Amino acid sequence: GQNIDQPTEMTATEGAIVQINCTYQTSGFNGLFWYQQHAGEAPTFLSYNVLDGLEEKGRFSSFLSRSKGYSYLLLKELQMKDSASYLCAVRDHGYGQNFVFGPGTRLSVLP
Amino acid sequence: GAVVSQHPSRVICKSGTSVKIECRSLDFQATTMFWYRQFPKQSLMLMATSNEGSKATYEQGVEKDKFLINHASLTLSTLTVTSAHPEDSSFYICSGEGGNPADTQYFGPGTRLTVL
Repeated sequence: GQNIDQPTEMTATEGAIVQINCTYQTSGFNGLFWYQQHAGEAPTFLSYNVLDGLEEKGRFSSFLSRSKGYSYLLLKELQMKDSASYLCAVRDHGYGQNFVFGPGTRLSVLP
Repeated sequence: GAVVSQHPSRVICKSGTSVKIECRSLDFQATTMFWYRQFPKQSLMLMATSNEGSKATYEQGVEKDKFLINHASLTLSTLTVTSAHPEDSSFYICSGEGGNPADTQYFGPGTRLTVL
């Protein structure tokens, strides 16, 4: 089966850097996605990794190590509006190419 | 990115009634659409996957006779919650993808269902 773990909650200060980790176990890995979700809203796409390494997109970067079943999302220069839940999702060959979502990490950015 | 709309955004209904939620991909053809349910402070739970013109594939524990899904075209999927009960109250989110393995899923804005 599939198993995806993320920390439940994190707190950071405005202007700081925060790293949100995600570990996964799948039968047929075919890509890892990060989404941001504000309370009461639908998730919005942040990043996609299918090969090992770092993908940088502005203040957000995402890293993947397939051998370790590990990814992280790095948020730099934190802003108050970054307070949200961050969802790690894995596409799984063995799951009909569907996405399996992690439990999400609720990030609170404090002034 | 691609745009997915959902209608209605919010619905309140009486127990025992049926509610239909529409999901439309506005600027791309969604070969596959997904329906999720999300309870407060929890992650997304996949309910079913539907491909245009074929029957939906339901996740274990999701009653197909209660949650009717129709994917009539490449831009429209509907979810009907039949004989709704208070425990069906939740945030329902649809998403669509274009079929490329590198595609992400594009999410609709969600529908907040409250059953009294």
